[in-house]
Amino acid sequence: QKEVEQNSGPLSVPEGAIASLNCTYSDRVSQSFFWYRQYSGKSPELIMSIYSNGDKEDGRFTAQLNKASQYVSLLIRDSQPSDSATYLCAVTNTGNQFYFGTGTSLTVIP
Amino acid sequence: GAVVSQHPSWVICKSGTSVKIECRSLDFQATTMFWYRQFPKQSLMLMATSNEGSKATYEQGVEKDKFLINHASLTLSTLTVTSAHPEDSSFYICSAPALQKGYTFGSGTRLTVV
Repeated sequence: QKEVEQNSGPLSVPEGAIASLNCTYSDRVSQSFFWYRQYSGKSPELIMSIYSNGDKEDGRFTAQLNKASQYVSLLIRDSQPSDSATYLCAVTNTGNQFYFGTGTSLTVIP
Repeated sequence: GAVVSQHPSWVICKSGTSVKIECRSLDFQATTMFWYRQFPKQSLMLMATSNEGSKATYEQGVEKDKFLINHASLTLSTLTVTSAHPEDSSFYICSAPALQKGYTFGSGTRLTVV
């Protein structure tokens, strides 16, 4: 069983819409959760981190965590073409070993 | 803060030669460094984990004699691809855990073996 699972997509949304990216994880003792964005040919960059159940908002991005359901999501409001990228979910228990999902490819259509 | 500098950004080498990739933590001590490989349109694949002062731990299927990892100091880890072949052409990325910042990634190295 994979540690972290994401829908590979591709996910396409029109410009201005809300993009919803989902991630589930298998290790119940996971403590920290991260969303990374990766443009083609570039290394991943951190967008959001979340540690507690509930929502965490940062600009157009909202991370949602539900530890009981072992589910973490990322919402992107007012999607822009520049948001087109692959989004990676990462989960860690100890902070020393991170488990990445395979990523969801997002395309925002102008 | 928590920056990992990776060099070179891209390299082209002849088949059979060796290539060294360096990752330096600039403003923190990286006791652990993870090395990933990424083929086009695929996700990150963990190759090995290096720990300062000890032998690296390789993932299943990764040849330790081909991908030599050295982590001799708290700020420098290197990956040497020995006797490179065209199938080794890939995007190699290092990263280090940086407390509440999650993983800090290097900028990646695009290796092309001709």
